[in-house]
Amino acid sequence: DAKTTQPTSMDCAEGRAANLPCNHSTISGNEYVYWYRQIHSQGPQYIIHGLKNNETNEMASLIITEDRKSSTLILPHATLRDTAVYYCIVSPQTDKLIFGTGTRLQVFP
Amino acid sequence: SAVISQKPSRDICQRGTSLTIQCQVDSQVTMMFWYRQQPGQSLTLIATANQGSEATYESGFVIDKFPISRPNLTFSTLTVSNMSPEDSSIYLCSAGDGYTFGSGTRLTVV
Repeated sequence: DAKTTQPTSMDCAEGRAANLPCNHSTISGNEYVYWYRQIHSQGPQYIIHGLKNNETNEMASLIITEDRKSSTLILPHATLRDTAVYYCIVSPQTDKLIFGTGTRLQVFP
Repeated sequence: SAVISQKPSRDICQRGTSLTIQCQVDSQVTMMFWYRQQPGQSLTLIATANQGSEATYESGFVIDKFPISRPNLTFSTLTVSNMSPEDSSIYLCSAGDGYTFGSGTRLTVV
């Protein structure tokens, strides 16, 4: 399975955009980029996923580079409730998900 | 996406005993996955459960310790057997749709 590299932690001011990077330089052609987050003491929450095109939903935007070796999750207007650990995972669709260590995002007032 | 009901949400168990965790999905899914999350750590995949076949375990996990049942396409159980304090963790199930996780079972072994 391809592996991902994420910064251990990031801070973001409330109301500002949070840009969370992820490197996945060994991604295979059939692997999607998934993003999940885990708020303390809860199960992981799906955010967004994509194959090669940029994606947007009500929660976030996913920007994937043309060579697919990296991506960025964008929370356009971070709130205190977005404080969580964010996981970037690459996997074939509906296959098992292997979690890395993620990025701990702290949104401050 | 599917909705998963996981129970119990938490339990405190005596060492040497076993606990069975249940996950019920509101729609049929081919695969379900079981994870463990030790305190302060990320999620680690225990096994993949397909209906009608033996579960496939990841390295470091064995069927005798974590037997799994998958009797139909909407239900699965994970048993943590002969528990020790090192088994204290959050255990989570996931539906094979790639989107949905249970809320987790927080297990404390004393």
